[in-house]
Amino acid sequence: GAVVSQHPSRVICKSGTSVKIECRSLDFQATTMFWYRQFPKQSLMLMATSNEGSKATYEQGVEKDKFLINHASLTLSTLTVTSAHPEDSSFYICSASMGGVNEKLFFGSGTQLSVL
Amino acid sequence: AQTVTQSQPEMSVQEAETVTLSCTYDTSESNYYLFWYKQPPSRQMILVIRQEAYKQQNATENRFSVNFQKAAKSFSLKISDSQLGDTAMYFCAFLAGTASKLTFGTGTRLQVTL
Repeated sequence: GAVVSQHPSRVICKSGTSVKIECRSLDFQATTMFWYRQFPKQSLMLMATSNEGSKATYEQGVEKDKFLINHASLTLSTLTVTSAHPEDSSFYICSASMGGVNEKLFFGSGTQLSVL
Repeated sequence: AQTVTQSQPEMSVQEAETVTLSCTYDTSESNYYLFWYKQPPSRQMILVIRQEAYKQQNATENRFSVNFQKAAKSFSLKISDSQLGDTAMYFCAFLAGTASKLTFGTGTRLQVTL
């Protein structure tokens, strides 16, 4: 099956610093990528939808200046958590849509962010 | 807006037995897809099974099958011959044909015991 690589798998940073998370589709072109956030023992909450070459669409309540998303190529989307604070600590997961067919979605392995 | 409800926060089943996880959803869409995802302790999201709403036949994937009741908006997952490796969180998810984003349920934590 298709592979989505997410890096890093785990990151610890100091409060006030920025952290970049990468999501790559390794063997297919992903016109659309999605970023989710998951708190412990909870479900996945969609943060934003990222379309290659255009601005991301953020879900209600998600600060776009806080969570910067860039989708500059058909195989790479990045999520940058700017000026991270302890409340931003969470598990972040990306998924990629194969060829615009949204029912074929593939997930990255996730990134555990811990802000001290 | 679509909603997905999983009413069983936790379930337990003995190895080799059968278990059914419940999921109901609410939508006004006529064209949509339903999914069950598994999230083991590694936290990797793994697609278990997918159902297209226009198909009357229930989807099956080896030991996994669904009972799709469109009129009742119900989409339960049956796991037969449960294995220890089935221990995971299971999420039911909905995708409208006109939309681009999945709506997840709150999840059911399944524990398979010896």
